Amino acid sequence: GNSVTQMEGPVTLSEEAFLTINCTYTATGYPSLFWYVQYPGEGLQLLLKATKADDKGSNKGFEATYRKETTSFHLEKGSVQVSDSAVYFCALSDSGGGADGLTFGKGTHLIIQP
Amino acid sequence: DTEVTQTPKHLVMGMTNKKSLKCEQHMGHRAMYWYKQKAKKPPELMFVYSYEKLSINESVPSRFSPECPNSSLLNLHLHALQPEDSALYLCASSQDPATNIQYFGAGTRLSVL
Repeated sequence: GNSVTQMEGPVTLSEEAFLTINCTYTATGYPSLFWYVQYPGEGLQLLLKATKADDKGSNKGFEATYRKETTSFHLEKGSVQVSDSAVYFCALSDSGGGADGLTFGKGTHLIIQP
Repeated sequence: DTEVTQTPKHLVMGMTNKKSLKCEQHMGHRAMYWYKQKAKKPPELMFVYSYEKLSINESVPSRFSPECPNSSLLNLHLHALQPEDSALYLCASSQDPATNIQYFGAGTRLSVL
């Protein structure tokens, strides 16, 4: 079956530090990959996506590259801000063309200190 | 515009009550989803509607009853819930089955007393 593994944290960084959150996956087909962010008390926001190998998703200074050879989709940001404090979920869709639920990692709680 | 609107934002109900959660999107998406999220956990899929027909039911208890009256609207009817059903209920929608990019609403935080 499909699965997503990510570091759970909490990950605590100082403002302006470099961020990496690792995500690896197992899938039977050719999945699409996503990063979602959840701020306290809110729903999930799509942060970025990649639908095929070697695609790079980017948004709001965050980037992730779909690496088929290492089955990874690591999230990076060069300089984090206090406002980036949230829970980050890596997810995949391997629906084979039909509507299906996403497979989520357990989530990484990120805390940015001023 | 990638907005999915859920109402109400908060709901408190007793175990004998009947209530409904509502989800609406006007992006022309033809697949809609209900997820349940407990604290400090990822969302868990409950139901999938594709072209207004129920396509996936993840063995959800019958006290949760989904309904899709039209392509823009998704309801979740609640009856005789248990305290352990307290959670954040998230709705999502997607347009393209090939990539299955899902957009989520802000959720309804449900407390069952």
